Amino acid sequence: QVQLQESGPGLVKPSQTLSLTCTVSGASISSGGYYWSWIRQHPGKGLESIGFIYYSGSTYYNPSLNSRVTISVDTSKNQFYLKLSSVTAADTAVYYCARVREQYYDMKYFDFWGQGTLVTVSS
Amino acid sequence: QSALTQPASVSGSPGQSITISCTGTSSDVGAYNYVSWYQQHPGKAPKLMIYDVSNRPSGVSNRFFGSKSGNTASLTISGLQAEDEAEYYCSSHTSTSTLVFGTGTKVTVL
Repeated sequence: QVQLQESGPGLVKPSQTLSLTCTVSGASISSGGYYWSWIRQHPGKGLESIGFIYYSGSTYYNPSLNSRVTISVDTSKNQFYLKLSSVTAADTAVYYCARVREQYYDMKYFDFWGQGTLVTVSS
Repeated sequence: QSALTQPASVSGSPGQSITISCTGTSSDVGAYNYVSWYQQHPGKAPKLMIYDVSNRPSGVSNRFFGSKSGNTASLTISGLQAEDEAEYYCSSHTSTSTLVFGTGTKVTVL
């Protein structure tokens, strides 16, 4: 069974960089056929995609966050990462990592999700 | 990338059928058969319910049915049960090569 687990600080100070890790088990990031993604959900709000990465390192970012986001992958550790710089209170949210099924490099759907981790931005 | 439009809430009595719409554009829902639906209970991660417009993953009840016409996709839940009360989100592949979510619909079982 594929499992994803987010980890990282639950509290980040304003203007600092939010850093999260997603550890994948039950599947190999380097096997292809999938993108790996980060999604966030503000308290009481809907889902917002942050970005996607392929095992080769190709990335796609939400334009609204593009200048502050970096997603990277370490296939040797079967992990991928999120860095969001210059955070403000508006970045307080539950952050999810998820696997995305692809076909001919088209992203199709999120099939497995992590449980999510709440990150609060506050001094 | 603009979110797909869903009604904020839909309700129904146990045993009834309800339909949730997901309206996009000719650059997303209308252009690709890569529409998916997710169920999210409070405090839980979303769960894939429908993929590729109308396919159900293993283990998902056949009471959930997906369809699409033009720029609008729909999720129908038949034989509504108390456990179906949750938030539902659609998602679609877009012409910018990514996935976009819908605004979300709160389903209430009366």
